[in-house]
Amino acid sequence: ILNVEQSPQSLHVQEGDSTNFTCSFPSSNFYALHWYRWETAKSPEALFVMTLNGDEKKKGRISATLNTKEGYSYLYIKGSQPEDSATYLCAQNQAGTALIFGKGTTLSVSS
Amino acid sequence: EAQVTQNPRYLITVTGKKLTVTCSQNMNHEYMSWYRQDPGLGLRQIYYSMNVEVTDKGDVPEGYKVSRKEKRNFPLILESPSPNQTSLYFCASRWGNTEAFFGQGTRLTVV
Repeated sequence: ILNVEQSPQSLHVQEGDSTNFTCSFPSSNFYALHWYRWETAKSPEALFVMTLNGDEKKKGRISATLNTKEGYSYLYIKGSQPEDSATYLCAQNQAGTALIFGKGTTLSVSS
Repeated sequence: EAQVTQNPRYLITVTGKKLTVTCSQNMNHEYMSWYRQDPGLGLRQIYYSMNVEVTDKGDVPEGYKVSRKEKRNFPLILESPSPNQTSLYFCASRWGNTEAFFGQGTRLTVV
């Protein structure tokens, strides 16, 4: 069974702060690493899918990096805004399997 | 519009009364999955399917059944629901390493 771990479990920052979260996963048989943003009362929506060691992806103020050799990924948010408040999920799949999710990091941004 | 459609959105039922939650996707995705979300436990995989007539158990399959007779549909069946199956359920689909698309969620209460 894949074990995807995320830290911290929750985080509270002030508007304008930059922050980052960690996702760790088994490095063997790696296939892809996903990040999702999940707002309350909505469905998770994809941010990034990364497959190669060293991948870096960026969407606006949010970026992510991937290290498949050591089994971790970081998600960065630059200049947090109240609308960034959400739960951020990472998920991994090995070849031929479904996505296994971590428990998420819940971010709260105060104005 | 590309989407994953789940029905019903809300359901209150009694212990032991069989029910089916439907899931349909219009993107010709090969992978489909069911997850349940419970406080503090994140998204846990119930069943997944890699293609028509191919299904596999996830981490918490007990008390659930699925079928994949057509590529677009992946219903979740609770033959004899129990109160511990009260949860928020999500269906998701994807193709290969691309992002997963989630349904709107089904909030099930078993009394």
